[in-house]
Amino acid sequence: NAGVMQNPRHLVRRRGQEARLRCSPMKGHSHVYWYRQLPEEGLKFMVYLQKENIIDESGMPKERFSAEFPKEGPSILRIQQVVRGDSAAYFCASSPQTGYFQETQYFGPGTRLLVL
Amino acid sequence: KNEVEQSPQNLTAQEGEFITINCSYSVGISALHWLQQHPGGGIVSLFMLSSGKKKHGRLIATINIQEKHSSLHITASHPRDSAVYICAVDTGNQFYFGTGTSLTVIP
Repeated sequence: NAGVMQNPRHLVRRRGQEARLRCSPMKGHSHVYWYRQLPEEGLKFMVYLQKENIIDESGMPKERFSAEFPKEGPSILRIQQVVRGDSAAYFCASSPQTGYFQETQYFGPGTRLLVL
Repeated sequence: KNEVEQSPQNLTAQEGEFITINCSYSVGISALHWLQQHPGGGIVSLFMLSSGKKKHGRLIATINIQEKHSSLHITASHPRDSAVYICAVDTGNQFYFGTGTSLTVIP
């Protein structure tokens, strides 16, 4: 049973470009969470999604960031017009049932985004 | 002030030592989690607690809801335990992370 998969593992973008981060949850999991870990800082929640629904995006920056989890395919975290401050590790986690941390979450390996 | 405070920030131990990492929080919670982040960055969920105590192998996690405090204990520590340990709390409609405790176990 494959774990949570994220790709790419490393992503380099120039300021102003778009970054697309993909997350494939574990088989049978319908809940996806995105977290950001800035350099020298802890994890911060960004968004919680179920299939085709955003349940909680209270941790998402108001501009340039969006997330989706379509009926088919991986969850996508999209960052438009990236800036240097977006450089961070972005982790995805999935769980089979109810939201937030009420179920054990399984983390992906993360995507390291570097904005030049 | 952060909603979740961990101590110590950094910890170095000799192999075999008993280790305790503490987590205090200031919000009402429905659950608390301990996560382990390996040097390569990968994160593993260790425990989810809402009361009492849980044990998994050499790891023990306890929580005192009245005192808003949790501890993670590692018995007979080993170099492979070297990682960052992160405490996270779920309030039911928001969740918060501690900044982590960096543990190094020396052979």
